[in-house]
Amino acid sequence: DTEVTQTPKHLVMGMTNKKSLKCEQHMGHRAMYWYKQKAKKPPELMFVYSYEKLSINESVPSRFSPECPNSSLLNLHLHALQPEDSALYLCASSHWGANYGYTFGSGTRLTVV
Amino acid sequence: AQTVTQSQPEMSVQEAETVTLSCTYDTSENNYYLFWYKQPPSRQMILVIRQEAYKQQNATENRFSVNFQKAAKSFSLKISDSQLGDTAMYFCAFMRWGTGNQFYFGTGTSLTVIP
Repeated sequence: DTEVTQTPKHLVMGMTNKKSLKCEQHMGHRAMYWYKQKAKKPPELMFVYSYEKLSINESVPSRFSPECPNSSLLNLHLHALQPEDSALYLCASSHWGANYGYTFGSGTRLTVV
Repeated sequence: AQTVTQSQPEMSVQEAETVTLSCTYDTSENNYYLFWYKQPPSRQMILVIRQEAYKQQNATENRFSVNFQKAAKSFSLKISDSQLGDTAMYFCAFMRWGTGNQFYFGTGTSLTVIP
């Protein structure tokens, strides 16, 4: 298995809703990442987990809450989002060191209404 | 801080022709990695090619090759025999060795292959 699987592919949520994005990989990677990407822009790093521990938080608002329950699974919990949070959310994984690059999922397209 | 610059926001190429996408970066590090990622309309970021800074030999992957000029801090991507499936956004990325895996992405080049 050489894939990173993200669910759901599309999500529409209201500003008072609580939802979660899910990311799963079975490549034995011990580093996992959440990126936010606006249209025609590069991905922006949000969080890095290494060996299931949060190692980087790029000053992301608390309405985004990451969770890494095990080495294969990464969640992003969403609560009280704003319309400007609408974006493509990409999950990626890599071996620690990332010398061979990341493997990305196909993303969740999030729309906040 | 590391910066990665892609000076060509949009490019187009005729099918079967060759195109070169430019990328420059700024760093004081000596050990690092460089990558080109492709993002087609399907959204998934796909690794095209990687280069280790300590290797002088330019990386090649089938129709894709790079021109890595370490002194000039330049890392261009050449696509030969362009195909319609090469239509995508292309991002250049930099990663310092041993820094916890953080990538620095360029602003991207939108490439269109014209039939």
